[in-house]
Formats: sequence, C-alpha cells, structure tokens
Amino acid sequence: EVQVVESGGGLVQPGGSLRLSCAASGFTFSNYWMTWVRQAPGKGLEWVANINHDGSDKNYVDSVKGRFTISRDNAENSVYLHMNTLRAEDTAVYYCGAAVGWIFDYWGQGTLVTVSS
Amino acid sequence: DIVMTQSPDSLAVSLGERATINCKSSQSVLSSSNNKNYLAWYQQKPGQPPKLLIYWASTRESGVPDRFSGSGSGTDFTLTIRSLRAEDVAVYYCQHYYSAPLTFGGGTKVEI
Repeated sequence: EVQVVESGGGLVQPGGSLRLSCAASGFTFSNYWMTWVRQAPGKGLEWVANINHDGSDKNYVDSVKGRFTISRDNAENSVYLHMNTLRAEDTAVYYCGAAVGWIFDYWGQGTLVTVSS
Repeated sequence: DIVMTQSPDSLAVSLGERATINCKSSQSVLSSSNNKNYLAWYQQKPGQPPKLLIYWASTRESGVPDRFSGSGSGTDFTLTIRSLRAEDVAVYYCQHYYSAPLTFGGGTKVEI
C-alpha cells in the first residue's frame, strides 16, 4: 500500500524557520520525482518545489527561491522542505507528492504551516 | 511562466447531467518532440489532497471512472464529467507540467 506522510508543520513567527518532512512507502521511492505543493486557507493549489531522483535537479517557484530548500534521502525514503525567513503568506497546508516525470501520482494528507506572531 | 486560466469558477449541474470545465494556458504545452500535451487534471474534495484524474490531457489515471474525460491540445483544454454523480462534487484543477514552474489553474467548484 502506498503511503505518503508529511510532518513538521506548526506555528512559527514571521522570519522563523521550519523543516517539513515527508516519508514515503509502498513504491520505489528512488524512481520518483518528489514535490511540495501548498494550499493557503480557502485558496487554490500552488506548486512550491520539486527534486529529481538523485537530488541533482531542483526547481522552485519564484516566491520561495532563496528561502526554501528541497532535499531528499533515498536511503530513508524521505524528502524534506527547509523553510527559512517565513512570511505570513507562506501560511498553508503543505502537501508532499510523488511524480513519475512531473505527473503527481501519490499525495500525502498535508501538514499545516501557520506563520503568525 | 505559463499561466493557467480555468472557467467557470463554479458551476451547478444536476445529477446525471454533463459538467464541462475549461482550461487555457498562456502558451502551448504541446511538445513538438513527442506530440504530447503536458496537461493534467486533478480533483480535490474538502479536507483531502488532490487526486490525479487525467494526464497527457486525455489519458485517464487507473481507477478513474470513464465518465471523466479530457480533451484539447496546445493551449485549450476541457474536462468533461459525463452523467454527474453526487460523489463528483469537488474542486477541479488543471495543471501544466511542461516546464518549471509548474502551475495550476485557479480551480472550478462543481456543485449539484
């Protein structure tokens, strides 16, 4: 059974940092691109970042470049999103997804990040 | 960046009737190298993650009912739900995966 489980969300002050984790199982993790997509409360979906099979290729949406870093550990079947200099507009549910190519097959249930003082 | 524009924002459809959702990209997502459209459709129900319905603009994901179909090419795409069922109430998103940044449309809320 495929499982994708995010963790690490919570309340953080503006300017603070947070690391999200995503643990995957039930599929060959190292064959998949991994991605983070977020959804602000009551809003639509926004792609944030993705990373290729071995971590050598990473892409980011402009609004997080220089602040967020995506990484992965294939030995642990995990992907991470390191978030620095957080802003109120980063408040969202963050979903982790697994993609063949860039087609998102598997998703987690999401983890909520709230940036507020 | 490729901008994805969906229409309408919402629509109400009677049970058993057809729902049609449109998606337009600001530039073509058709690859000349493989003649494929890099366009997917997702369904999202409240409190749930998105679910992949359609990829390559018209290929149905395994397990997706055949009342869902995708069509279009280049910059104009359509998701059709033939004979709407109560469990189809959701928000539907198109998304291109032609190049980074990947972008989603604003979503279309389908109601009964």
